[in-house]
Amino acid sequence: DGGITQSPKYLFRKEGQNVTLSCEQNLNHDAMYWYRQDPGQGLRLIYYSQIVNDFQKGDIAEGYSVSREKKESFPLTVTSAQKNPTAFYLCASSMGTGVTEAFFGQGTRLTVV
Amino acid sequence: AQSVAQPEDQVNVAEGNPLTVKCTYSVSGNPYLFWYVQYPNRGLQFLLKYITGDNLVKGSYGFEAEFNKSQTSFHLKKPSALVSDSALYFCAVRDVDSSNTGKLIFGQGTTLQVKP
Repeated sequence: DGGITQSPKYLFRKEGQNVTLSCEQNLNHDAMYWYRQDPGQGLRLIYYSQIVNDFQKGDIAEGYSVSREKKESFPLTVTSAQKNPTAFYLCASSMGTGVTEAFFGQGTRLTVV
Repeated sequence: AQSVAQPEDQVNVAEGNPLTVKCTYSVSGNPYLFWYVQYPNRGLQFLLKYITGDNLVKGSYGFEAEFNKSQTSFHLKKPSALVSDSALYFCAVRDVDSSNTGKLIFGQGTTLQVKP
């Protein structure tokens, strides 16, 4: 089946730890995105990438980092510099050209313990 | 700057009745608008989009949306609601910037509660 796979579904982070969220797609999409979802705030863009080996900061990039070494993969690292990381994280992909819809993964819920 | 507003945090409707979830937008240039649905602890599922053409757009699961340029609105509708339609609905507009990245700007979401 074609789609986007995020792992893990649930993740617990201790104070001061870095954690990495995985996102893989087999849709052959060029563009990939990371969004953060908090209750009542909709989705906010963290980082996006239009092509391999290139990525751009979104609206709330501080405390996060990404890489795009392969077209299929766009992992997100939540660093210890992110002071309030507890949230639901959603990865998405799209064709990147034209006005096409984005396809979303099932999300990773990160909790600081 | 582009923006999207969903004026209602929650919409309640009885099963079998028509439903409307409201969305208004502000964009510079042509609006490219989307509706997504999210079930608890799941990702977003695409319902429909407006790019150009007919103001009434039909989408998945019997949903449709009406684009109104003069009122800058893109309300989601369904003629007969189902209990299974209960979910969180997001309206989004494509962020039109110089890089043409396909980024989306989302509203804050509206919870739809359909009661049997």
